[in-house]
Amino acid sequence: NAGVTQTPKFQVLKTGQSMTLQCAQDMNHNSMYWYRQDPGMGLRLIYYSASEGTTDKGEVPNGYNVSRLNKREFSLRLESAAPSQTSVYFCASSERQTGAFFGQGTRLTVV
Amino acid sequence: GQQVMQIPQYQHVQEGEDFTTYCNSSTTLSNIQWYKQRPGGHPVFLIQLVKSGEVKKQKRLTFQFGEAKKNSSLHITATQTTDVGTYFCAGKPLGNTDKLIFGTGTRLQVFP
Repeated sequence: NAGVTQTPKFQVLKTGQSMTLQCAQDMNHNSMYWYRQDPGMGLRLIYYSASEGTTDKGEVPNGYNVSRLNKREFSLRLESAAPSQTSVYFCASSERQTGAFFGQGTRLTVV
Repeated sequence: GQQVMQIPQYQHVQEGEDFTTYCNSSTTLSNIQWYKQRPGGHPVFLIQLVKSGEVKKQKRLTFQFGEAKKNSSLHITATQTTDVGTYFCAGKPLGNTDKLIFGTGTRLQVFP
């Protein structure tokens, strides 16, 4: 089993460009999450999805959109990237009563 | 909104010394989870505590959930160099068990 797979692993964008970060899990989990991690800031929740067809804002949703395409996939879109969105992005999935499994992360730089 | 703070932010210890990190939530939690992230890696789930006052042990690691379900601690006995990393607590708020908020993390460095 692959667990949680994120693509791409690295990305450089110019300010104003758009892109979509992809995430897929093969553990049949209902809940999926997107976090960003910045030095000294821990992991901050951007959006989460409790089940297929539902999404909710987390702590820092501004500048992002998400789509829960099906039970396996949860994508994160940056419509107009800004330097403040330079970060490491992690996708995770879990069941309600279990811990979360994380992908390897996407290192995004916006110049 | 809910905030989860951890102290200390950094801890440097000599191998063999003990280490403790403390986690405090601004709101009552339904459960608390602990994760470890090695440098350059992703967070890895360690354990979940659900009951008020619960204590769980994993070898040299002892996890505790406070009576009010708003705080938690992780204690490592006799640290080893393999314990190096950042330790995060993460909580699910009471009434919204789909949302998982992470603490600020404690970075542990162990000197041989």
